[in-house]
This record gives sequence, structure tokens and C-alpha cells, in this order.
Amino acid sequence: SQTIHQWPATLVQPVGSPLSLECTVEGTSNPNLYWYRQAAGRGLQLLFYSVGIGQISSEVPQNLSASRPQDRQFILSSKKLLLSDSGFYLCAWITLRAGRYHGYTFGSGTRLTVV
Amino acid sequence: AQSVTQPDIHITVSEGASLELRCNYSYGATPYLFWYVQSPGQGLQLLLKYFSGDTLVQGIKGFEAEFKRSQSSFNLRKPSVHWSDAAEYFCAVGVGGNTPLVFGKGTRLSVIA
Repeated sequence: SQTIHQWPATLVQPVGSPLSLECTVEGTSNPNLYWYRQAAGRGLQLLFYSVGIGQISSEVPQNLSASRPQDRQFILSSKKLLLSDSGFYLCAWITLRAGRYHGYTFGSGTRLTVV
Repeated sequence: AQSVTQPDIHITVSEGASLELRCNYSYGATPYLFWYVQSPGQGLQLLLKYFSGDTLVQGIKGFEAEFKRSQSSFNLRKPSVHWSDAAEYFCAVGVGGNTPLVFGKGTRLSVIA
């Protein structure tokens, strides 16, 4: 079966510290992968997406970066966190069933609080 | 580029009452349309989707949505709301391929006794 794993679930980090959030998918190959951030009352903001290994598209210039070292792994990073990086981070992938597009499947999210 | 508007930020309904959440989109052709639900602290779960064909689509948890091309709308409905439906609801528009989905800002649903 096709599943998506995202960790950690909760993270509290001091300002200026590094960040690494990981997302992996199982049961599929060469998926399109996405990182979204959800701030309170602001809906879902697309941060990065990737259509393949080493291919990253950035939607919003900011303090974050993304990498895709393996086909089924998508990592969100920061060298130095800012208070404004706090939020709920969601990983998603395009779901295909029998080769047909079915929209996104989301991970369970990571609540990041920068203090 | 496509866009999505959910005009209601917050809606409160009584348990057992009917519900309609509004969604309007902007796109030159007929896009793929989705409704997702998010419980507090959780990821998003797909409720239903429209790609083509019958404009009234049924989803999980008793929800349905109707695509109206003339109004560029894809409103979500439920005839009788349960307290467990309290959550945030997101409408999304896609065009397929590698183009990311575009989400509305969400509507928070509260259910009162």
C-alpha cells in the first residue's frame, strides 16, 4: 500500500538553531513531493516541490531549503531558524492509482515552535 | 494561474442542521477540484474530488459537492452535521501533471449542540 511518513510530530527549537524535517513515501516510485506550511489563520502555503531526485522548485523565498536525496525522501531544512518559521509543516505527494491522478495524500504534519 | 476563494472563514452550525461550505475558483478550463478536511493537529484528509462527468460527487463521511461550471463553484454540503465534523475544510484546485494544487484559505466549522 502507498503511505507517507513524516517526522517528528512536534519540535521545539531555539532561534538560530538548525532544522531538519523528513518525509518519506512507500509503495510508489518517482512521486511528486511537496512541502507546505500552515500558519494560524493563513491557510496552506506551498514552500517547495520536487518532481524527481535533486529537482527542487522553490515557491517562496525564505529561510528554508529542501532537498531530495533519494526518490522517496524529501527533506526540509534550515541553517538558522527564525521565530517566523514557527508553524505546522505538511508533506504531501501526488497519489496515482492505476496510473490515474488522484490529488494529494498528506503526511500527519510537524508542529514546529521556534522559541 | 488558478486561484481558490473560500469566502467564509468560520461557520457555526447546530448539530443535525444542514451545512454548505462555499468554494469558488478561477481557471480558464475545468480544473480538478478537491475538498480536504483537517482535524486539529492532523494532516489533511481527502473528502471528495471532481475530475469530470457527473457534477454531483459523493465523498466520505456523508459529504457531497456539486460542480457548477457557470458559477465556477464547487460547494461542499452535508444534510445533517455531526459534532465530529467540527474541523477545518479546504477547497483545492489542480490542473494535473506537475503543477501544484492551489488551496483556499480554509473554512473552520464549529458544531454546537
